[in-house]
Parts: sequence; structure tokens; C-alpha cells
Amino acid sequence: EVHLVESGGGLVQPGRSLRLSCAASGFDFNNYAMHWVRQAPGKGLEWVSNISWDGDRIEYADSVKGRFTISRDNAKNSLYLHMSSLRVEDTAFYYCARDSLRGSITSLSSWGQGTLVTVSS
Amino acid sequence: DIQMTQSPSSLSASVGDRVTITCRASQDIYNFLAWYQQKPGNVPNILIYAASTLESGVPSRFSGSGFGTHFTLTITSLQPEDVAIYYCQNYKSAPRTFGPGTKVEIK
Repeated sequence: EVHLVESGGGLVQPGRSLRLSCAASGFDFNNYAMHWVRQAPGKGLEWVSNISWDGDRIEYADSVKGRFTISRDNAKNSLYLHMSSLRVEDTAFYYCARDSLRGSITSLSSWGQGTLVTVSS
Repeated sequence: DIQMTQSPSSLSASVGDRVTITCRASQDIYNFLAWYQQKPGNVPNILIYAASTLESGVPSRFSGSGFGTHFTLTITSLQPEDVAIYYCQNYKSAPRTFGPGTKVEIK
């Protein structure tokens, strides 16, 4: 069974940085692209970023480009999101999600439970 | 960037009703479209990918159709457990935008 567990969320001041982690298990992590999606409390889903299985293809939403960095460590079955220059509008639940297809970047078939990031002074 | 819109934004229907949700893309996305269901207090769950392929384990009352810029999600017989927000998503290219969601309630 696919299992994704996010961690690293919390309360942070505007302008500061935070790193989220996602521990994956139950599947061959190094064969799947991974995604980060966020959801502000009471709002809709916003795709944030994806990274290919080998880390060669990385894409970002315009709202986070230049401030967030996605990475992965296939040896540790882990996905990361380094967030810098945080803004109040980055406040959201951050979900890590696995791609549906091995080796491709497509839909999101498995989701973690999310970690809450609150940006406030 | 490709923009995704959904209609209606919310709907209320009776148990057993047929429900249809529409999703439109601002550009041709072929069939690179997925539908997700998010029940209250839960994380999203994929229902359909490639516009019309039902994810394993999803009840057959759910179906998807469409190609290009116009897509639909249909629930043939609405059940109480279908109360949720439904989102479409473009995955043809980045940014892999979600639609704003359609809230489905029971009348």
C-alpha cells in the first residue's frame, strides 16, 4: 500500500524559510514522479511543483517560482520542498502526492495527509 | 498558462439523481485531464484519469468524458457518500492547474 507522510510544517514569520519532507513507502519511489499540492484553509487545490523520477524534470507554479525548490533523495525514499521568502498567502496545507504512472508526469494517484504551513507575524 | 473552469460551482441534488459537472480548459489539453473527489475533512482522491478512465476501486456510477477543451464528470445515481467537492485537473503541461471545484450536496 502506498504511504506518504509529510512533515516539517508549522508557524513561520513572513520572509523566513521552511523545509517540508515527505517520506514514501509501499512502492518503488525511484520510478515515480512526485508532486506537491497545497490547499489554503477552506479553499481549492493549487498545484505547486513536480519532479520527475530521476530529478531531471522540475516544474513550478508561477506563484512559487524562484522561492520554492523541490528535490528528492531516491536512496531515502524522500521528497522535499524548500520554501523561502515565505508570504502570508503561502499559508496552506501542503500535500505530497505520487504520480499515477511509472516514469511519467501525469495525474496524482496517491496523496499524503498533508502538513500545515502557517505564515504569520 | 492553461486555465481551468468548472460549472456549476455548487449543486444540490436528490439521492438517485443524475449529476453532471463540466470542466473547460482554456487550451486544447487532448485527454490529459483527471477528476478528483475531496470529501469533507479528507484528502483528495483520484476518480478518473485520461478524461474517461476510471481509477481502480472507484464505483461505476462515476464516469468521465470529453476531449480537447470540454470535459464532463457524471454521477449516474447520486449517493449520500458522494457529498464532496470535485476538482478537474489539467496534466498536459505545467502549471498542472486544478479547476476551482464543484461542491455537491444532497437535497
